[in-house]
Amino acid sequence: AQSVSQHNHHVILSEAASLELGCNYSYGGTVNLFWYVQYPGQHLQLLLKYFSGDPLVKGIKGFEAEFIKSKFSFNLRKPSVQWSDTAEYFCAVIDMTTDSWGKFQFGAGTQVVVTP
Amino acid sequence: EAQVTQNPRYLITVTGKKLTVTCSQNMNHEYMSWYRQDPGLGLRQIYYSMNVEVTDKGDVPEGYKVSRKEKRNFPLILESPSPNQTSLYFCASSLNVGNTIYFGEGSWLTVV
Repeated sequence: AQSVSQHNHHVILSEAASLELGCNYSYGGTVNLFWYVQYPGQHLQLLLKYFSGDPLVKGIKGFEAEFIKSKFSFNLRKPSVQWSDTAEYFCAVIDMTTDSWGKFQFGAGTQVVVTP
Repeated sequence: EAQVTQNPRYLITVTGKKLTVTCSQNMNHEYMSWYRQDPGLGLRQIYYSMNVEVTDKGDVPEGYKVSRKEKRNFPLILESPSPNQTSLYFCASSLNVGNTIYFGEGSWLTVV
């Protein structure tokens, strides 16, 4: 079955530390990839997306992600986190080539806590 | 303002009492979908719709119904709610399939 895996369920780090969240998917064809963030008590908001082109994409709030097709990965990074980055982060994938076109799959999420 | 609006935001109901969660978007989006969010499971897609009168099952459609009679509305219907449907529900829309999804504020549903 097609799936999206996020490697860490919880991450705790200090302000100014670097952050990298892993995301792997099991689809074999063309995919569109997303990272969403959910701040406490809020709905999901788009951080960044990849459809095609440069595999290194930049998003809002200093986040970036790299699509590595050979590894089926789309890892999220931020060089220096702030307390306000405390949130839950979700990787999402949509397979654009199969008969399950239209189905979005989300990872289970990674809860990130940034301590002052 | 471009938005996805869901109602109610909070609801406590009893087992077996039919309820509907409404969803409306004002962005003329073709694609709409419903998700439930549960701790440790992330978001799971319940149903989606690629356009008016076109709906399809997501990963967890059991116990839910949807309809898409108008482009802007995509209500979620629980014909006979059960406690395992206690969850946080999100409606979402996007311009078309594969494009960025915009989420509503969420609806907290408790079934007792």
